[in-house]
Amino acid sequence: DIQMTQSPSTLSASVGDRVTITCRASQSISYWLAWYQQNPGKAPTLLIYKASTLGSGVPSRFSGSGSGTEFTLTISSLQPDDFATYYCQQYNSYSYTFGQGTKLEIK
Amino acid sequence: QVTLRESGPALVKPTQTLTLTCTFSGFSLSTSGMCVSWIRQPPGKALEWLARIDWDDDKFYSTSLKTRLSISKDTSKNQVVLTMTNMDPVDTATYYCARPIAGDYTGFDYWGQGALVTVSS
Repeated sequence: DIQMTQSPSTLSASVGDRVTITCRASQSISYWLAWYQQNPGKAPTLLIYKASTLGSGVPSRFSGSGSGTEFTLTISSLQPDDFATYYCQQYNSYSYTFGQGTKLEIK
Repeated sequence: QVTLRESGPALVKPTQTLTLTCTFSGFSLSTSGMCVSWIRQPPGKALEWLARIDWDDDKFYSTSLKTRLSISKDTSKNQVVLTMTNMDPVDTATYYCARPIAGDYTGFDYWGQGALVTVSS
């Protein structure tokens, strides 16, 4: 099975900061990667799919890049609603794997 | 408008079989390319994909759990059912059903609200 490793596990930042979260796959997954935001007690919401395609209604301050085994999620200017946990997820050979999550905290 | 809703027991005993139902609206599982997955999340932990059923009744399972899982659909009722055998306290989690982006399997853009299942004697 493909393993997904996110870094960092926790990130402290301030409103207005630019932040980047990295996700690495244990083998190449081309661009079959998605990113989610999850708030406590809520289901995840899709931010990015196919590595760089913005989900419906997602603000343009979110962007994704990468292919193969290394991917990044960037938030260009943090807003108060962005402090949450973020997950990457790969799709390959009829199977899905999520990363362990990155908790974005207010500094 | 696409919606999904999970239902099932909130508490199961160890060794019992869990049966969860996902009732959805706004799309049909008889439409080519459509599918529904089950995903779970133990308290305070990461998400874990469990199983998927496709419009043509193809079924796919997590490698680590495939011997315990079964997924089925009732197209006429717009329902997908997941069964998990031999439940253990480590299976305590919120169980979600989710639908990927239409025509693209990469990401899940519609999720249910989740059903918390506790495994305890």
